Amino acid sequence: EVQLVESGGGLVQPGRSLKLSCAASGFTFSNYYMAWVRQAPTKGLEWVAYISTGGGSTYYRDSVKGRFTISRDNAKSTLYLQMDSLRSEDTATYYCTTHNNYDYWGQGVMVTVSS
Amino acid sequence: DVVLTQTPSILSATIGQSVSISCRSSQSLLDSDGNTYLYWFLQRPGQSPQRLIYLVSNLGSGVPNRFSGSGSGTDFTLKISGVEAEDLGVYYCMQATHAPPTFGGGTKLELK
Repeated sequence: EVQLVESGGGLVQPGRSLKLSCAASGFTFSNYYMAWVRQAPTKGLEWVAYISTGGGSTYYRDSVKGRFTISRDNAKSTLYLQMDSLRSEDTATYYCTTHNNYDYWGQGVMVTVSS
Repeated sequence: DVVLTQTPSILSATIGQSVSISCRSSQSLLDSDGNTYLYWFLQRPGQSPQRLIYLVSNLGSGVPNRFSGSGSGTDFTLKISGVEAEDLGVYYCMQATHAPPTFGGGTKLELK
């Protein structure tokens, strides 16, 4: 059974950092591009970043460029999102998903940026 | 960025009714590799998104065949042939032809 399990969310003050993790199982993680998608409370879906199979290629939406870093550890079948200089507008549920065809999604992890 | 416009934003239906959702793109979604990277998702209340359709018209694994997708270029449609109670939620189209990937604003399907 395919599983994507996010962790690392929580309440953080503006300007601080947080690192999300997504543990994958049930499929060959290293064969898939991976992505993070977020959803602000009561809002729609917003793509955040993706990473290639080997990690050598990454792409970010403009609003997080220079503040967020996507990475992966294929040996651990884990995807990461390092979020620095957090802003209130980054408050959202963050989902990890397979970028190849968006067929697998995690359950999401909530990040709240507030003082 | 590519803008995807979904209509309607709210769709009221009875069980068994057939309904359609439109997704219009600000640019053609036909990629140079010949594929059109247009997807449809359903997000039920309190759940993560579930992929229904990929590459315009391909049914995802385990998705009932009452769902179908069609279209080309800039105009795309998701059809549900006979709404069931489990279909209620918010539907999103998404394109991944042009970076960055973008989502439509969503269509909420509710019971009439």
